[in-house]
Amino acid sequence: QVQLQESGPGLVKPSETLSLTCAVSGYSISSGYYWGWIRQPPGKGLEWIGSIYYSGTTYYNPSLKSRVTISVDTSKNQFSLKLNSVTAADTAVYYCASLDYGNNPRFDYWGQGTLVTVSS
Amino acid sequence: QTVVTQEPSFSVSPGGTVTLTCGLSSGSVSTSYYPSWYQQTPGQAPRTLIYSTNTRSSGVPDRFSGSILGNKAALTIRGAQADDESDYYCVLYMGRGIWVFGGGTKLTVL
Repeated sequence: QVQLQESGPGLVKPSETLSLTCAVSGYSISSGYYWGWIRQPPGKGLEWIGSIYYSGTTYYNPSLKSRVTISVDTSKNQFSLKLNSVTAADTAVYYCASLDYGNNPRFDYWGQGTLVTVSS
Repeated sequence: QTVVTQEPSFSVSPGGTVTLTCGLSSGSVSTSYYPSWYQQTPGQAPRTLIYSTNTRSSGVPDRFSGSILGNKAALTIRGAQADDESDYYCVLYMGRGIWVFGGGTKLTVL
């Protein structure tokens, strides 16, 4: 069973960089899924941020692409999100997930999510 | 910019049947978008219900089914139960690695 756990600061100041890590257990990050980040502002819907393959191939939401970097560390079986120049609009619960880009594209396993608040 | 549309809210009586839809602001949803559906209760992570239009995820009861109805993807819930009261999100795969979520439908069972 694939398990994902997000971690990182719960409070980030405006204009700074949001950094989160997703630790994967029960599955090798190099074994075939893509890995992604999704966020949900309080009381609002879900938004896909981006995805990465263990080889480093990345896909980003065009609306966030200029501020987002997703990276993978196969030695630690984890992947990370960096979102720079944050504003209050980036306040959200951030989820990590496994994604299948194969014959049946879907978000498969989800982390529990972590709330990040942008405030001074 | 692609917008995926969903009904903001819907209600169903216990035991009843409800169909939620997922459309595009411009164009039709087809199986080529691999529509998938996710259920989310307050404070919880989303749960995968349906993928590739009509394939149920492991452990999902057959009361939940997916289809294409006209120019939209659809999620049908038969025999609605109290614990089906949740937010439901559809996602479309736009190709080139890009996903777009719908705004979600808040389903009330009463």
